[in-house]
Amino acid sequence: AAGVIQSPRHLIKEKRETATLKCYPIPRHDTVYWYQQGPGQDPQFLISFYEKMQSDKGSIPDRFSAQQFSDYHSELNMSSLELGDSALYFCASSFTGDGNEAFFGQGTRLTVV
Amino acid sequence: AQSVTQPDIHITVSEGASLELRCNYSYGATPYLFWYVQSPGQGLQLLLKYFSGDTLVQGIKGFEAEFKRSQSSFNLRKPSVHWSDAAEYFCAVGPSGGSYIPTFGRGTSLIVHP
Repeated sequence: AAGVIQSPRHLIKEKRETATLKCYPIPRHDTVYWYQQGPGQDPQFLISFYEKMQSDKGSIPDRFSAQQFSDYHSELNMSSLELGDSALYFCASSFTGDGNEAFFGQGTRLTVV
Repeated sequence: AQSVTQPDIHITVSEGASLELRCNYSYGATPYLFWYVQSPGQGLQLLLKYFSGDTLVQGIKGFEAEFKRSQSSFNLRKPSVHWSDAAEYFCAVGPSGGSYIPTFGRGTSLIVHP
């Protein structure tokens, strides 16, 4: 069965650079969520999109932005990277008709040096 | 606001022993409840979920969890642990209506001794 695909799996950036993380949800899923998991931390909700519109916003820094495109894939754009942005970034998708169960991708590990 | 408490940061068991990981939640109504497992450097895999109905839910890999409304708990259990079960386990709660955003507990790290 198709799963949530995230790319790249690993990314190394320098401070003050920008990064773009991509998420391809499970086909027919209408909602995408982004989470950030710092070392030894629980996943923290950043932002979500329903039918290509931002639906909820969590603890996403102003330096970050995200969008969902017409093909339902989503991108998380991160600018002016800081060392503290080093984390595992998860994308999840769900379908409102299936009780909104969230399926997670394997994550993108971002390392800022 | 919903929240999840996993009181145990680490749990150590011997292979073949039984396991119980604790999870308490705070939510005004009946929530959706989940247990996820995360192996090192890997994504979150859903073990089981509770939406409604039977309060004892069966999951993958031999895990089960019981929803106890009176105790606001959703503890994860396994009768006999295998070495491959060593991982990080996250309990999560999601609202039962409207915007659904899973809120995670801080996780419990399971260590399995041979």
